[in-house]
Amino acid sequence: SQTIHQWPATLVQPVGSPLSLECTVEGTSNPNLYWYRQAAGRGLQLLFYSVGIGQISSEVPQNLSASRPQDRQFILSSKKLLLSDSGFYLCAWHRDSITEAFFGQGTRLTVV
Amino acid sequence: QKEVEQNSGPLSVPEGAIASLNCTYSDRGSQSFFWYRQYSGKSPELIMSIYSNGDKEDGRFTAQLNKASQYVSLLIRDSQPSDSATYLCAADTGRRALTFGSGTRLQVQP
Repeated sequence: SQTIHQWPATLVQPVGSPLSLECTVEGTSNPNLYWYRQAAGRGLQLLFYSVGIGQISSEVPQNLSASRPQDRQFILSSKKLLLSDSGFYLCAWHRDSITEAFFGQGTRLTVV
Repeated sequence: QKEVEQNSGPLSVPEGAIASLNCTYSDRGSQSFFWYRQYSGKSPELIMSIYSNGDKEDGRFTAQLNKASQYVSLLIRDSQPSDSATYLCAADTGRRALTFGSGTRLQVQP
């Protein structure tokens, strides 16, 4: 069966510090991978998606970036965090764009 | 217009009652619809998928799809306090990812 791992679970970072969140998927090959952000009491905002190694599409302009160095690894980064980057970050994978998404445990990021 | 809309709630029902959660979508070409449950501080968990018009039952959960009216609903029978959570509706909208509604918060009162 497929599993998705995301870490860390919680993170408190000062404004202006860098960020690196990692997500890995097991039990499947060539997954579509996604990063979402969920602000408190809000829906899921799609940040990035990737259909393959080195292929990244950005949905919204921001100071975040994503990379996919390996087939089952997806990384979310920032060089300098802003207060507005606080939120719940979720990694997800789909087999394809019309099938169900499966989520990692999420990372609660608080920028102070 | 939002692509997937849900009433934010909270929807409050007594224990043992039927909870009815609704969702509308704007893209007539959408084929796949999903319901996720999200407990506070946790990630969304898939509970139902539906692709054809009509009802689909799984235990205490029933998903209903009406493509002509562009709505999807989730019924939870014999609601339990453990069902208290936010329920997210999602649909494929021809993009690379599913589009999620903002969720309906359900409170089941013991």
